[in-house]
Amino acid sequence: NAGVTQTPKFQVLKTGQSMTLQCAQDMNHNSMYWYRQDPGMGLRLIYYSASEGTTDKGEVPNGYNVSRLNKREFSLRLESAAPSQTSVYFCASSPSPYEQYFGPGTRLTVT
Amino acid sequence: KNEVEQSPQNLTAQEGEFITINCSYSVGISALHWLQQHPGGGIVSLFMLSSGKKKHGRLIATINIQEKHSSLHITASHPRDSAVYICAVRPQGGSEKLVFGKGMKLTVNP
Repeated sequence: NAGVTQTPKFQVLKTGQSMTLQCAQDMNHNSMYWYRQDPGMGLRLIYYSASEGTTDKGEVPNGYNVSRLNKREFSLRLESAAPSQTSVYFCASSPSPYEQYFGPGTRLTVT
Repeated sequence: KNEVEQSPQNLTAQEGEFITINCSYSVGISALHWLQQHPGGGIVSLFMLSSGKKKHGRLIATINIQEKHSSLHITASHPRDSAVYICAVRPQGGSEKLVFGKGMKLTVNP
């Protein structure tokens, strides 16, 4: 089992560029989440998906879109990147409502 | 005021010491999670509890629902315990969303 995988691990974007962060899990979990982690702040939920075909906004959804492509995959898209979106992004999955399993993170820098 | 507060924010200990990390929260919860973030960035779930106490190896987590407080204890600490420890709560109401504390950075010196 690979658990939760994320690609890419690192990314540098210019302001205004777009990109998609990919996340996949092989544990047959229903729930998947996208978080961002910034220095001095706790993890903050961007979007989550309780099941295939459903998504819901978290605490900081502005500037992001998500797609729950199937049960395994949950992608996060930045349509027009801004420096304020420089952060470390974590994907997680859960056999809700139990422990969450985290991916290794994507370090994104927007210049 | 943050819904989840952790104290202390940083802690340095000597190998072998008994360590306590505290978490207080201000909302009704259905569960509380303790997570560990390694220096390399990976996050691992340590415990999920809704009452009482859980133990895994040298780690013990307790929760007092009435006082809205949880503690994570590390016995016989070791340098490999150096990490950021994060407390998160799942508010009552059926939501799956977690609310996270800012984390506590622990350094254990040999």
